[in-house]
Amino acid sequence: LAKTTQPISMDSYEGQEVNITCSHNNIATNDYITWYQQFPSQGPRFIIQGYKTKVTNEVASLFIPADRKSSTLSLPRVSLSDTAVYYCLVGDMGSGNTGKLIFGQGTTLQVKP
Amino acid sequence: EAGVAQSPRYKIIEKRQSVAFWCNPISGHATLYWYQQILGQGPKLLIQFQNNGVVDDSQLPKDRFSAERLKGVDSTLKIQPAKLEDSAVYLCASSSRLGSDTQYFGPGTRLTVL
Repeated sequence: LAKTTQPISMDSYEGQEVNITCSHNNIATNDYITWYQQFPSQGPRFIIQGYKTKVTNEVASLFIPADRKSSTLSLPRVSLSDTAVYYCLVGDMGSGNTGKLIFGQGTTLQVKP
Repeated sequence: EAGVAQSPRYKIIEKRQSVAFWCNPISGHATLYWYQQILGQGPKLLIQFQNNGVVDDSQLPKDRFSAERLKGVDSTLKIQPAKLEDSAVYLCASSSRLGSDTQYFGPGTRLTVL
């Protein structure tokens, strides 16, 4: 499973777009990139997953360049309720894999009014 | 759809005592995980079950930790005896199948060992 590197913390203001970049230089061909969000006193929650190019859902967008050595989670127009820890994970989520997740330290996003 | 249930939510014990945590996964989910999350760190997988069989317990301190999922539904994680460094949040998660891209986490049990 590839190791990931992401900023320890970020600050933003309400209404701004937030981009959190994750580095994964040793990503393997079969690896997917997955982001989880964790609020205080709660378990992590799946946000988005992608393999290449761009993925968008109702919560966020995920941008993955052609070399796949990094990825960027984009949160549009954040609000105070987006204050949380965001984890970037890389691993083989295909069939035959156990689905094991290895969490790093994550990025603590603080949204200010 | 009901989420992953865990109990108790909080537990305070003295070192060398025993403690047990209970998890009820989402109905129909075959895969169940127990994680330990120490303050300021990401969750660390302790053990993974597929139905009632163990898939991965490589990071479970087997001299003091044990877990079971006898009927392939609920699961119990036990610590005996507890050490100060076991103070953490214990998270249970489930997924619909082995290798699924989405795990659903419960609220966790916060354990304090004094």
